[in-house]
Amino acid sequence: GNSVTQMEGPVTLSEEAFLTINCTYTATGYPSLFWYVQYPGEGLQLLLKATKADDKGSNKGFEATYRKETTSFHLEKGSVQVSDSAVYFCALSAQYNNNDMRFGAGTRLTVKP
Amino acid sequence: GAVVSQHPSWVICKSGTSVKIECRSLDFQATTMFWYRQFPKQSLMLMATSNEGSKATYEQGVEKDKFLINHASLTLSTLTVTSAHPEDSSFYICSASRLAGRYEQYFGPGTRLTVT
Repeated sequence: GNSVTQMEGPVTLSEEAFLTINCTYTATGYPSLFWYVQYPGEGLQLLLKATKADDKGSNKGFEATYRKETTSFHLEKGSVQVSDSAVYFCALSAQYNNNDMRFGAGTRLTVKP
Repeated sequence: GAVVSQHPSWVICKSGTSVKIECRSLDFQATTMFWYRQFPKQSLMLMATSNEGSKATYEQGVEKDKFLINHASLTLSTLTVTSAHPEDSSFYICSASRLAGRYEQYFGPGTRLTVT
């Protein structure tokens, strides 16, 4: 079945450091891929998404490229801020069926000033 | 657009009582709503999927008589935790989709339930 494997955390970085959170997936067909962010005590907010191979999702300085050949959707940011501290979830939804959504385990990011 | 709200945002109840959590789509009609449960420092686990006007479909291992889901309108779904116990304490998150299976899910802010 479909699944998502996400880099385990926690990740601690200094402000302005480069961030990479790895995410790989297993799925049939062409799933849609997502990154969600969860701030303490809050629900999930969609950070970015990509719906087909080679698409790049971007938002708030974060980027992720849908790589079909490596079945990956790694999240990157060139210069993190303290306000980026949160838990990040990689997720996929099955092709033509958004009911079937799978989440990674989540990666907790802490950015120190 | 695509805003989903939950009420309450947090609730404390005594063991043995029931508590209802509401999930509303504020600016769109949600044919399908989903209920997830999140344990501390863990990912989301889908509990059930509900379609407006029909019975919810529960995931394996989720007690349907304990977690009652009602989706009576295109903008409101409720989750009632009946006879709550401390092990039901968790973060409950709902999401809503405009059309089952065809559109992405929009997530609510979550409800933290603590059973004492």
